[in-house]
Amino acid sequence: EDKVVQSPLSLVVHEGDTVTLNCSYEVTNFRSLLWYKQEKKAPTFLFMLTSSGIEKKSGRLSSILDKKELFSILNITATQTGDSAIYLCAVEGLNTGNQFYFGTGTSLTVIP
Amino acid sequence: DAGITQSPRHKVTETGTPVTLRCHQTENHRYMYWYRQDPGHGLRLIHYSYGVKDTDKGEVSDGYSVSRSKTEDFLLTLESATSSQTSVYFCAISSDYNSPLHFGNGTRLTVT
Repeated sequence: EDKVVQSPLSLVVHEGDTVTLNCSYEVTNFRSLLWYKQEKKAPTFLFMLTSSGIEKKSGRLSSILDKKELFSILNITATQTGDSAIYLCAVEGLNTGNQFYFGTGTSLTVIP
Repeated sequence: DAGITQSPRHKVTETGTPVTLRCHQTENHRYMYWYRQDPGHGLRLIHYSYGVKDTDKGEVSDGYSVSRSKTEDFLLTLESATSSQTSVYFCAISSDYNSPLHFGNGTRLTVT
């Protein structure tokens, strides 16, 4: 059965801390892994990773994929209160068409 | 924001009534998806479409049907709403393989 598992479930940190969010997966015919940030409304796209060992970086956020060990991490450095959100990991598999499997998310709270 | 409009934004309905949710996109993307989001379960795929009149079931399709008669519109119908279908429903689109999902703002459905 295809599945995506995220850890930890929730995290509370102080502004300025660095956090690491984890995502492990078992998905048939893996194509890509995606990270999303969800505040009060729709998830917004952060990164897509398709190749092993490639790091994607955008400002204080970065992510790396290990296709051999079937996991990804999302790092956030120098956290700010605006980083408070649920972070979702999704894995794209190929069956009849594209299918995206989501983890249950990590809830991050950054306190001043 | 990707051009995705969901309607209605909120709906309250009674058990046993049929309900139709609409997703409209202006991006001309091939793939469209319906997800539901519930606490503790994350985002779960209900149905998806890989072209006009081409649809397939996701992991939680029981009690739901979909139709896609035009590229831009993807309708989700709850044939006879039940309280277990109270949820937030998200429509998402994707242009091709290895392309990220982009989400609409969601429809909050309450079945009483």
